[in-house]
Amino acid sequence: DGGITQSPKYLFRKEGQNVTLSCEQNLNHDAMYWYRQDPGQGLRLIYYSQIVNDFQKGDIAEGYSVSREKKESFPLTVTSAQKNPTAFYLCASSIDRYRSQPQHFGDGTRLSIL
Amino acid sequence: AQSVAQPEDQVNVAEGNPLTVKCTYSVSGNPYLFWYVQYPNRGLQFLLKYITGDNLVKGSYGFEAEFNKSQTSFHLKKPSALVSDSALYFCAVRGNQAGTALIFGKGTTLSVSS
Repeated sequence: DGGITQSPKYLFRKEGQNVTLSCEQNLNHDAMYWYRQDPGQGLRLIYYSQIVNDFQKGDIAEGYSVSREKKESFPLTVTSAQKNPTAFYLCASSIDRYRSQPQHFGDGTRLSIL
Repeated sequence: AQSVAQPEDQVNVAEGNPLTVKCTYSVSGNPYLFWYVQYPNRGLQFLLKYITGDNLVKGSYGFEAEFNKSQTSFHLKKPSALVSDSALYFCAVRGNQAGTALIFGKGTTLSVSS
């Protein structure tokens, strides 16, 4: 079945450590997105990519980095500069960059601090 | 600035009663509007969208939404609620520039009692 796979489901970070969240899609979608979800705050956009080898910062990019070397993959690194990384992270993709298409979401990675 | 507001943090209804989850938006130009549902520790699932045309949009699981341009609203409705409808619901709007990601409301928790 086509879809978006996020791994791991749960992740723990030690202070000063960088961690990488994986997101893979087999939907042949051009655009991919990373969101952070905190209770009562909805979803906030971290980074998005419309095409391979290109990505743009979202509303809360500080302390995060991404790469888009392949169409299928859009990993997110939470760096040690992100002082409050505890959250639920959601990856999404959409068929193209246009407004009418819904985004498809993975099942998320929950990141906690040890 | 583009924004989405979900004025109710929580909506409580009895099973079998009609339900409404409210959403208002502010966006330049014509909006593309979406509703998503999220179950605990899962990603968001697409329910329905409004792009153009008929103001009443029908979606998955018996949900529908009514677009009202004059009131800039896009309320989610269902004629008869089920206990299994209990979840977190997000309204989202996409802006008028190609390549922009969705702007999400903060979410409304729907609780359906038996």
